[in-house]
Amino acid sequence: DARVTQTPRHKVTEMGQEVTMRCQPILGHNTVFWYRQTMMQGLELLAYFRNRAPLDDSGMPKDRFSAEMPDATLATLKIQPSEPRDSAVYFCASGWFGASGAFFGQGTRLTVV
Amino acid sequence: GQQLNQSPQSMFIQEGEDVSMNCTSSSIFNTWLWYKQDPGEGPVLLIALYKAGELTSNGRLTAQFGITRKDSFLNISASIPSDVGIYFCAGPGAGANNLFFGTGTRLTVIP
Repeated sequence: DARVTQTPRHKVTEMGQEVTMRCQPILGHNTVFWYRQTMMQGLELLAYFRNRAPLDDSGMPKDRFSAEMPDATLATLKIQPSEPRDSAVYFCASGWFGASGAFFGQGTRLTVV
Repeated sequence: GQQLNQSPQSMFIQEGEDVSMNCTSSSIFNTWLWYKQDPGEGPVLLIALYKAGELTSNGRLTAQFGITRKDSFLNISASIPSDVGIYFCAGPGAGANNLFFGTGTRLTVIP
């Protein structure tokens, strides 16, 4: 049963610390999305990749956030330094370029204290 | 970015009732998607629509692609407790391969 895998599921960290979230997309998918979900803002698109190349990261605060795909089986989202306002659930999703829909992971719930 | 507004924001209904919700966009969409999110989980794709006027069903769910291409509708018939969750519309933005989500409709079904 193919699925998107995200780690960790939960992360509590202190303000100023670096946070790295990982995502293993479904094998064969060539598009990877990163979303942030909060009560106030809903599901915000942070960045997305096609064939491991970043296509758009305009939704991401550039000064502290970075997203990469070191290989086809791993996408990472880093926050450095983290701030309390970064507390949210971060979702990774994967799909096919040019086709519709994306399959979501279970998310990483981040709490920055 | 894209503006996708959903209404209503939340609904409380009795088990067995039918549900209707909609989604409107500030720009034309070529594809409309409907997702459901259960508590503690990621959204799951329910229905995809690809053509203006298209009506597609998935069990008790029926979705329509509005003819203006700026809106879409989701209906759930004979609701059951497991229909509880947040329903999102989504669609590709100007880049055609990104995916923006609506504000969500939170559904509560009272047994």
